[in-house]
Amino acid sequence: EAGVTQSPRYAVLQEGQAVSFWCDPISGHDTLYWYQQPRDQGPQLLVYFRDEAVIDNSQLPSDRFSAVRPKGTNSTLKIQSAKQGDTATYLCASSLDGGMPETLYFGSGTRLTVL
Amino acid sequence: GQGVEQPDNLMSVEGTFARVNCTYSTSGFNGLSWYQQREGHAPVFLSYVVLDGLKDSGHFSTFLSRSNGYSYLLLTELQIKDSASYLCAVRDDSGSWQLIFGSGTQLTVMP
Repeated sequence: EAGVTQSPRYAVLQEGQAVSFWCDPISGHDTLYWYQQPRDQGPQLLVYFRDEAVIDNSQLPSDRFSAVRPKGTNSTLKIQSAKQGDTATYLCASSLDGGMPETLYFGSGTRLTVL
Repeated sequence: GQGVEQPDNLMSVEGTFARVNCTYSTSGFNGLSWYQQREGHAPVFLSYVVLDGLKDSGHFSTFLSRSNGYSYLLLTELQIKDSASYLCAVRDDSGSWQLIFGSGTQLTVMP
């Protein structure tokens, strides 16, 4: 079984540039999460979907960040105008709703550096 | 407010044990999970507990006390390769049922 796939692996930007991150979850997993993990901190939820619906995006900076999962499978997270404070690893995870225990399977992440 | 707290660092010796502590304060409770994260890698699921007491899973055991908002992950017969960050995560049962992670405890196992 293939795991969660993310790309790109690394991204380096100047402030003000845009970037998109892509995630392919485990086949059949209906729930998809995007987390931001600054260095030496735990993952912090940005947004999560069940199928194509956004369940919680309350932590997503909506003025610059957006996330979609149009067909309930792959997902894209976009930063419109990056800031130095966005420097972090962006982790995608998927799970099966109702699975016990509900285990999140994480991708390898995209390590973003904003100069 | 809501939060999951863990000590930043922990050191122990190969062949002995290490106890990684976690305290939490959340709006409701629907289970606590532990993840292992090696440097530069994604978190990997280790354990899930929702009932009080000790859950023995061999190399990793997990204790939970819901009344005290406290859990620990116990690693026995430590190996050098157990050096990693250990993340505690609590799922609340209000609103969006999100999983709230602590900042992780960096365990260093010395020879």
